[in-house]
Amino acid sequence: DIQMTQSPSTLSASVGDRVTITCRASQSINIWLAWYQQKPGKAPKLLIYKASSLGSGVPSRFRGSGSGTEFTLTISSLQPDDFATYFCQHSNSYPYTFGQGTKLEIK
Amino acid sequence: DVQLVESGGGLVQPGDSLRISCAASGFTFSTSWMTWVRQAPGKGLEWVTNINQEGSAKYYVDSVKGRFSISRDNAKNSLYLQMNSLRAEDTAVYYCVRLDNSGYMAYWGQGTLVTVSS
Repeated sequence: DIQMTQSPSTLSASVGDRVTITCRASQSINIWLAWYQQKPGKAPKLLIYKASSLGSGVPSRFRGSGSGTEFTLTISSLQPDDFATYFCQHSNSYPYTFGQGTKLEIK
Repeated sequence: DVQLVESGGGLVQPGDSLRISCAASGFTFSTSWMTWVRQAPGKGLEWVTNINQEGSAKYYVDSVKGRFSISRDNAKNSLYLQMNSLRAEDTAVYYCVRLDNSGYMAYWGQGTLVTVSS
């Protein structure tokens, strides 16, 4: 199985900051990676698919990059609505797996 | 608008069976791969199973193989998850998800909570 490892697990930042979350795959997954945002008590929301394609209606301050085994999600200027938990997910092969999550907190 | 509405969750005892359902609307269900993803309380996301458009191809995470079975009824725009021999570690919110090209999950239901406890 392909393991997805996110870092950091927790990130404290302020409104207006630029933040980057990293997701590493235990073997190459080409560009078959998605990023999701989840708020407490809610279903996840798709942000990025195929490593760098922006989901429908997702603000342009979210940017995904990477290929192979290393990927990043960058939020260029944090807004109050962005404080949430973020997950990566690969779809290169079965079983699909998610990263453990990165909780983005207000500093 | 795409809507996925899960139902059928609840409290069951270890070893029991339960079937949860998902009613889909707002898109052509019969041409979509579908998936179930679960999330244990306070934990991360876990992919459980996928099914193709006709129901002829099904994939499962190892921890549920032989116990869970995914199915669909395209005439009723419905997705199902039959869960047998339930264990405490199956306790989770179960999300019904439409799987789009390349395996990403653009549309999620609100989830249904399954609690396995004596």
